[in-house]
Amino acid sequence: RKEVEQDPGPFNVPEGATVAFNCTYSNSASQSFFWYRQDCRKEPKLLMSVYSSGNEDGRFTAQLNRASQYISLLIRDSKLSDSATYLCVGVYNNNDMRFGAGTRLTVKP
Amino acid sequence: EPEVTQTPSHQVTQMGQEVILRCVPISNHLYFYWYRQILGQKVEFLVSFYNNEISEKSEIFDDQFSVERPDGSNFTLKIRSTKLEDSAMYFCASSPQGVQPQHFGDGTRLSIL
Repeated sequence: RKEVEQDPGPFNVPEGATVAFNCTYSNSASQSFFWYRQDCRKEPKLLMSVYSSGNEDGRFTAQLNRASQYISLLIRDSKLSDSATYLCVGVYNNNDMRFGAGTRLTVKP
Repeated sequence: EPEVTQTPSHQVTQMGQEVILRCVPISNHLYFYWYRQILGQKVEFLVSFYNNEISEKSEIFDDQFSVERPDGSNFTLKIRSTKLEDSAMYFCASSPQGVQPQHFGDGTRLSIL
């Protein structure tokens, strides 16, 4: 079954903390992965793509480990505005995008 | 920045009625999608559409659902005879290519009474 699994959290961290989320996927045929961010009652917004070589965008680092079938997201120097639900997404069959249930992050002052 | 637009933002419908949700994808995108998210649950894939036909659909997308691209800009989701459990947020998305990230509209909240 094509499933993407995430720890739902919640993760409650102080401002400035480093926090990491992991996500596992069960279908090794998955072609690409993304991290999306979703604020309460809003649409998912693309945060970043995930590559085997790892990629970084400012305070955010994403990594894909195909051998172990997991994806990670690291957020450094957390800001209050990082509070949201982070969705791990795998793409199958070219355009069947499967979402994890999301990991909720709250950054506190 | 171009965006996906959806109308209406909120639709209230009696159970058993037909409803059409509308979307205008980003103009140079070729792949179009519908998702739903029941309150408090995860985003669920419904259907993808490419080259004027359905390319993938999930087990949720049964005979009650249909999609159409009636003209060069709109992409619609029709639910023929709505049920209470169809109440959810429905998101439309589009992407330039199939494996590229999808851009979401801000959703239509569907409430079935």
